[in-house]
Amino acid sequence: QKEVEQDPGPLSVPEGAIVSLNCTYSNSAFQYFMWYRQYSRKGPELLMYTYSSGNKEDGRFTAQVDKSSKYISLFIRDSQPSDSATYLCAMSAGNYGQNFVFGPGTRLSVLP
Amino acid sequence: DAGVTQSPTHLIKTRGQQVTLRCSPKSGHDTVSWYQQALGQGPQFIFQYYEEEERQRGNFPDRFSGHQFPNYSSELNVNALLLGDSALYLCASSLDSRSAEAFFGQGTRLTVV
Repeated sequence: QKEVEQDPGPLSVPEGAIVSLNCTYSNSAFQYFMWYRQYSRKGPELLMYTYSSGNKEDGRFTAQVDKSSKYISLFIRDSQPSDSATYLCAMSAGNYGQNFVFGPGTRLSVLP
Repeated sequence: DAGVTQSPTHLIKTRGQQVTLRCSPKSGHDTVSWYQQALGQGPQFIFQYYEEEERQRGNFPDRFSGHQFPNYSSELNVNALLLGDSALYLCASSLDSRSAEAFFGQGTRLTVV
């Protein structure tokens, strides 16, 4: 079993839809949970990060963490064609010299 | 703010050769991490540098080595290149070694032939 699992998609939705992206993980030591967006041939761009369980909202994006279920989600409201990209979840235990463990990414297409 | 910059953007090398990739962190950041991203996969952690020392290392062989300079910039060196080393190499910088806010450069695409 991989440490972080993520449905690779592709996921296609119409413009304006609410998108739900999810990751599951197995390492209960993870404390920090990040979402990155990666456009083709570009480096990952940090969207949001959360610490421990709970919700965090930033504009059209909402991140949720459920540590009891080892499950995290990213919701995108009013999706736009410019949101079409690969979305990567990442996690870390927050130790000194921490490394991030990434999921494989979900490819999202928002159709006009 | 220039953000994280990496050079070169693309590189083609022959099996067995050695390669050096370079990274300048975001202004004010003193910690640099390197990741390898194979096609269709998420990035994999190689190692992290802080105060010019390697602080943590992922599951990569000794052929992968690095360095951090006093100005916080960093190099990734890969010796005895294998075809399987072909990937996008990403550099990320953060304010300190425990920060969850890591910012990535655009990457260096390495092709080994």
